[in-house]
Amino acid sequence: EIVLTQSPGTLSLSPGERATLSCRTSQTISSRFLAWYQQKPGQAPRVLIYGASNRAPGIPDRFSGSGSGTDFTLTVSRLEPEDFAVYYCQQYGSSPKTFGQGTKLEIK
Amino acid sequence: QVQLQQWGAGLLKPSETLSLTCAVHGGSFTAYYWTWIRQSPGKGLEWIGEINHSGGTNYNPSLKSRATMSLDTSKAQFSLKLTSVTAADTAVYYCARAGGFLGPWGQGTLVIVSS
Repeated sequence: EIVLTQSPGTLSLSPGERATLSCRTSQTISSRFLAWYQQKPGQAPRVLIYGASNRAPGIPDRFSGSGSGTDFTLTVSRLEPEDFAVYYCQQYGSSPKTFGQGTKLEIK
Repeated sequence: QVQLQQWGAGLLKPSETLSLTCAVHGGSFTAYYWTWIRQSPGKGLEWIGEINHSGGTNYNPSLKSRATMSLDTSKAQFSLKLTSVTAADTAVYYCARAGGFLGPWGQGTLVIVSS
C-alpha cells in the first residue's frame, strides 16, 4: 500500500497570502495518478487538481499543482476567504487508492 | 451535469450488515468505475473499493473481505454491503464516480454503529 504523508498538518495564513501544501508518497508514483481535493465542513470533497497539475473544470487558476516522483505540491497563489478548508491528496494509480491524512488551512 | 444520490440505513447494531445504494443521474454509467469511500468522525478519507460496469470489483484489503459491491445497470445504481459491522465502522460513507480521480461525489450518509 502506498502511504501519503501531507504536511503541514495545519497551516495558518491570512487572506491574500500564498499557501503551499505538500504531499509525499512512500514510493514513486506516476504524476498522472495524483489528485488534490478540497473539503469544507459538512460537504463531500471536490477535486481541484488531477494528474498532479491539471485543474479540474471550474477550479480557479489561483490553484496549481506540481511535482513528480514522490513529492507533490498544491499551491494557492492568493488565498480567498472561501479557500480555508481541509485539503487531501490521493494516489489513484495503485490499489488500494490511498489518501493523505489532510492539511487544514485555517485563517490566521 | 452528473449527480449522485445515495441512501441507506444510518443506525446499526454491532454484527449487523451495512447496506447503501447510490443512484447516478445523468452521464454515462458504463464508462466509469464507481467507488465507495468513508470518513470516520474527525478523521481522514478511506477508499473502500470500486466496481465497473461489468461488475468487476476491487476492494481495500483493510476491510478483510467484509465488503461487497454490486450494481444494477438498468437503474444506473450501485450498492455497498459491509458485514459484521463494529463501532470502528462508524463513519460518513460517500459514493463517487471514478474516472481516475474521484468526482462527482454523493452527499454522504452518516452510519453509526452502536448497541
